[in-house]
Amino acid sequence: KQEVTQIPAALSVPEGENLVLNCSFTDSAIYNLQWFRQDPGKGLTSLLLIQSSQREQTSGRLNASLDKSSGRSTLYIAASQPGDSATYLCAVLGNMLTFGGGTRLMVKP
Amino acid sequence: SQTIHQWPATLVQPVGSPLSLECTVEGTSNPNLYWYRQAAGRGLQLLFYSVGIGQISSEVPQNLSASRPQDRQFILSSKKLLLSDSGFYLCAWGTGGDTGELFFGEGSRLTVL
Repeated sequence: KQEVTQIPAALSVPEGENLVLNCSFTDSAIYNLQWFRQDPGKGLTSLLLIQSSQREQTSGRLNASLDKSSGRSTLYIAASQPGDSATYLCAVLGNMLTFGGGTRLMVKP
Repeated sequence: SQTIHQWPATLVQPVGSPLSLECTVEGTSNPNLYWYRQAAGRGLQLLFYSVGIGQISSEVPQNLSASRPQDRQFILSSKKLLLSDSGFYLCAWGTGGDTGELFFGEGSRLTVL
C-alpha cells in the first residue's frame, strides 16, 4: 500500500526566504506526482504535475523535482510572499491516487 | 477551458436528515469524477470515483452513496446523516489514464448537528 509523507507538517518563514517542502512515498511504481495548494476552507488548486518520466517542472517561482527511485519529491518556492501562505499537498498516482498529509506554510510579512 | 462547480458551499444538517451534494464539470467530456472527504485534522479520503455514466466505485463503506446520472454530473447523497459525516467534501475531475491530472472544486462544508 502506497504511503505518502510530507515533512514538515508546518512551516513558518519570513517573507523573501527560499524554502523547500518535502514529499516522500514508499512505492516507486507511480505514473505521476502532483502538487496542490489549498487555502483555508477552499478546494485544491493544482500547482505542478510531474510525470514519472520527468525530473522536474517549473511554474513561476515554483519548482518541483521528482526522484522516483528514492521515492522523493521536493517543492521549491523562491522568494516567498505572504500570499504563498496555504497548505501544500502532494499526491502520487499509482494504482490509486494517494495524498500526503500536507505542509501548512505561513509566510510572515 | 474546463471548470468544475460544486454546491452548496456550506450546509448544516441535523442527524438523520438526508444529504445531496452536487458537482458538475464543464468544458470536457467523459471525465473521471471523484468525491473526497477531508475531515478536520485529517488528510483527503477518497469516497467514490466514476469512470462513466452509472459506473460508481466505492472506496470506503459508509452510509453515503454516489450517482452519476449524466456524463458531467456527480452527486453525493445520504439517506440519514451521522455526526461522523461532518467534514469538507471535495469533488474532482481527472483526465484519467497515466497522465491522471486532477482538478478540484471549491468544496462543500458539511456540519451535522
